[in-house]
Amino acid sequence: GENVEQHPSTLSVQEGDSAVIKCTYSDSASNYFPWYKQELGKRPQLIIDIRSNVGEKKDQRIAVTLNKTAKHFSLHITETQPEDSAVYFCAASDGNTPLVFGKGTRLSVIA
Amino acid sequence: DTAVSQTPKYLVTQMGNDKSIKCEQNLGHDTMYWYKQDSKKFLKIMFSYNNKELIINETVPNRFSPKSPDKAHLNLHINSLELGDSAVYFCASSRYGGNQETQYFGPGTRLLVL
Repeated sequence: GENVEQHPSTLSVQEGDSAVIKCTYSDSASNYFPWYKQELGKRPQLIIDIRSNVGEKKDQRIAVTLNKTAKHFSLHITETQPEDSAVYFCAASDGNTPLVFGKGTRLSVIA
Repeated sequence: DTAVSQTPKYLVTQMGNDKSIKCEQNLGHDTMYWYKQDSKKFLKIMFSYNNKELIINETVPNRFSPKSPDKAHLNLHINSLELGDSAVYFCASSRYGGNQETQYFGPGTRLLVL
């Protein structure tokens, strides 16, 4: 089955700097890659997703890139703000099997 | 007008007890899920129901039993609670049940087994 590895497990950045979180997946059939953000004590919420027919997707300060050959995808957050502090989860699915989540990255943005 | 709601929010109980967690969604979605998030924040799917039929049953002990009276509700009953069951349990829903749709999570139920 699918296995998703996520790095780093924790990440601290200064406010205004960029943050990058990387995930690798094992199943070459996976073609859907969402990212969820979970603030402290709150529920996970989708922030962006990408499908295998595109290599990059942007939404304001957030972008996701996908390298199908290398089987990895990354979340990029630019101009980080304190409210970006949260745990971020990547996930992967081939459409036939349920989402498999990475183990999460705790991002701290230091003001 | 909460989209996905769960009750209770907190549940503290003794080992060996039986407890239930309720989940309701008012989004008109066809599929609902139960996830377990342990103390290390790992999110793992337990069950999925599509139009009241179980379509996923991961390797979860049979002490856990999902019950769906209708497609807007998915309850989780846990028998003979163990210390290792302590976790946050999230209910979620998605529109059709495809594995490439946005999942909408409930607020979570924090279960502590003493």
